[in-house]
Amino acid sequence: QKEVEQNSGPLSVPEGAIASLNCTYSDRGSQSFFWYRQYSGKSPELIMFIYSNGDKEDGRFTAQLNKASQYVSLLIRDSQPSDSATYLCAVNKGNTPLVFGKGTRLSVIA
Amino acid sequence: DVKVTQSSRYLVKRTGEKVFLECVQDMDHENMFWYRQDPGLGLRLIYFSYDVKMKEKGDIPEGYSVSREKKERFSLILESASTNQTSMYLCASSPVGGRYGYTFGSGTRLTVV
Repeated sequence: QKEVEQNSGPLSVPEGAIASLNCTYSDRGSQSFFWYRQYSGKSPELIMFIYSNGDKEDGRFTAQLNKASQYVSLLIRDSQPSDSATYLCAVNKGNTPLVFGKGTRLSVIA
Repeated sequence: DVKVTQSSRYLVKRTGEKVFLECVQDMDHENMFWYRQDPGLGLRLIYFSYDVKMKEKGDIPEGYSVSREKKERFSLILESASTNQTSMYLCASSPVGGRYGYTFGSGTRLTVV
C-alpha cells in the first residue's frame, strides 16, 4: 500500500515567521511530488511541484526533496494569515494517480 | 482561465436514488479522476480514466460507476445512494504523463438523507 504521511497539525506560526510543512512517502519509486493548498470548504489548489532532489523556490514558497530519505517539505517564508489553510502533499510515479497525504492544517496568527 | 466544472455545488438526495455527478474540463486533458473527501480520511480515489471510454477502479469503487463518452466529460454515478455516501466529491483532470499535477473542480457536497 503506497502511503503519504503528514502531521495533521494544527501547526501554528506567528505572522512573518517561516512555516515548515513535512511529508514522507513509502514508495521509493515515486517520481513527482506536489503541494496543494486547500482553504476550508474549497477544493485543493496546486502551489508547487518538484521532481529532483534539492530545493525549488517560487516566491515565498520553497519545496525541498530528499529522495534518499523519502522526504519532501514545503517552507513558507513571511507567513501571512491568508496562508492559513490545509496543505496536502501528493506523490506519483509515471502516469499513475496521485497518492495524497491527509494534510497538515496551518494556522498563521496575526 | 482553464477550468474543471462540476455541475452542482450542493446536492441533497434520498436514500436509494440514482445520482449523477457531472464533470467537464476545457483543457483537452486525457486524464480525469473522481475523489471523495471526508474529515479524517483525506482524499480517496473512486475511479479514474485515461481516455475516452476507458475507466479504472480506484481505492473505493464500491457503490459507484463512471462514464466517459467524450474526452471532456467524466460522470460519476451512484447507483443507489446511501447515507454513507454523504461526502464532498471532487473531480480533477491532468495531462498525460503525471508530471503536472491535477486541476480540481470546485467540488460537489452531496448529502444523502
